[in-house]
Amino acid sequence: AQSVTQPDIHITVSEGASLELRCNYSYGATPYLFWYVQSPGQGLQLLLKYFSGDTLVQGIKGFEAEFKRSQSSFNLRKPSVHWSDAAEYFCAVGANQAGTALIFGKGTTLSVSS
Amino acid sequence: GAGVSQSPRYKVAKRGQDVALRCDPISGHVSLFWYQQALGQGPEFLTYFQNEAQLDKSGLPSDRFFAERPEGSVSTLKIQRTQQEDSAVYLCASSKNRGGTNEKLFFGSGTQLSVL
Repeated sequence: AQSVTQPDIHITVSEGASLELRCNYSYGATPYLFWYVQSPGQGLQLLLKYFSGDTLVQGIKGFEAEFKRSQSSFNLRKPSVHWSDAAEYFCAVGANQAGTALIFGKGTTLSVSS
Repeated sequence: GAGVSQSPRYKVAKRGQDVALRCDPISGHVSLFWYQQALGQGPEFLTYFQNEAQLDKSGLPSDRFFAERPEGSVSTLKIQRTQQEDSAVYLCASSKNRGGTNEKLFFGSGTQLSVL
């Protein structure tokens, strides 16, 4: 069955430092992969997505992610974190043939220290 | 509207009560999704509509959950005889076209349901 694992429940990063959030997936076919961000009281916002092609994808707010098939990973990165990046981050995989459902990981909470 | 709107923002129900949660998708969006997000968990898919047709309800946890979208715009998620395990944030999302996985989903802020 398809699944998404985010190994880190909570990460704290200093403002200005680099960030990497881990995501591993289990999916039989070529996956559609997503990263969403959820700020308190806000809806989920799409950061970036991977369907095919270049394995390094750029997203909004300076985020990028790299698809590594051999490692079944889709880690999210940002070179320099801002205090406003503090939020919860979810990795997701497109789940079914019809493509109408996403399977989300449990999320990683990012705190940014000054 | 400018975004996906959900109401109420918070709902407290006594166990056994029926509740109705409303979702106003972005105007003109064909596809509408409901997800359930329990505390400390990621969202879990409940059901999907393409216009007024409910094409996938595989994620509904029991027959106490019912969703409708009669005119292909506003949707209502109804939970009958609520149980404590129904306590969660219920998220609605819409997308412009037929809701393929390559579509961008726009999420509402959710309805936080607490069942006492």
